[in-house]
Amino acid sequence: TQLLEQSPQFLSIQEGENLTVYCNSSSVFSSLQWYRQEPGEGPVLLVTVVTGGEVKKLKRLTFQFGDARKDSSLHITAAQPGDTGLYLCAGVRGSNYKLTFGKGTLLTVNP
Amino acid sequence: NAGVTQTPKFRVLKTGQSMTLLCAQDMNHEYMYWYRQDPGMGLRLIHYSVGEGTTAKGEVPDGYNVSRLKKQNFLLGLESAAPSQTSVYFCASKESGTSTYEQYFGPGTRLTVT
Repeated sequence: TQLLEQSPQFLSIQEGENLTVYCNSSSVFSSLQWYRQEPGEGPVLLVTVVTGGEVKKLKRLTFQFGDARKDSSLHITAAQPGDTGLYLCAGVRGSNYKLTFGKGTLLTVNP
Repeated sequence: NAGVTQTPKFRVLKTGQSMTLLCAQDMNHEYMYWYRQDPGMGLRLIHYSVGEGTTAKGEVPDGYNVSRLKKQNFLLGLESAAPSQTSVYFCASKESGTSTYEQYFGPGTRLTVT
C-alpha cells in the first residue's frame, strides 16, 4: 500500500519555466521531508516541514506542508538544468522516525 | 568524515546464493535503516535498528536478515537470493533525539540476481 501519492511521475520542462510537484496522503505524518536524488547516488535531504501550513524557501525552491499535515508541495521557480533529478517526498511516522516514501518525480530541465 | 559508506557497490548473484551487504557510518548515529529502491516504487524500508544490538522489521522484510553488532555497522543478509531481490539497496543513518529528522544515505549497492 502506497501511503504517499506523488505527482507527476515524470516532468520535462524548458529552462526558466516554473513547476510544482505534489505529495498527497490520506494519513497524517508528524513531519514530511523532500529529498533529491541524482543518478548513482543516495537521496539528499532538501527540507523538513513539521508544522501544518508551514512554508519553507530554499533559494528558488518553495516547500509547503498542508494544514492537516497530510500533503505537501514543492514549487521550483525559473528551473535550471542543475535542478534535474529525482525528487522524493517522505513522511515521518512513529517514534523510530521511519520514512514512507512517495514513488518520486523525475524532473528533466532542458537548456 | 566519510559519512555513510556501503560495500560492495555492485554485485551479481545467482538464484539461491547468499551474500551480505555492509553499511558503515562514522557519525556515531543511533538509528540505521536499510531500504530498497525499485523503478517506479520509490524507496521501501526493509529493516531498521534503533541502537547497537537491536533490529526491527520494516515494510518489506521477507527474505532478508540484519545484524547490528557494532554501533557503526549495519549488515543486510540475503540467505537465498531470488530474482525479485534484484534492486538498488540504500543504507541510511540518523542521530538520536528529536531535534533533527534527517537521514543520511549511502551511495547504494546495485544487486542483480540471475
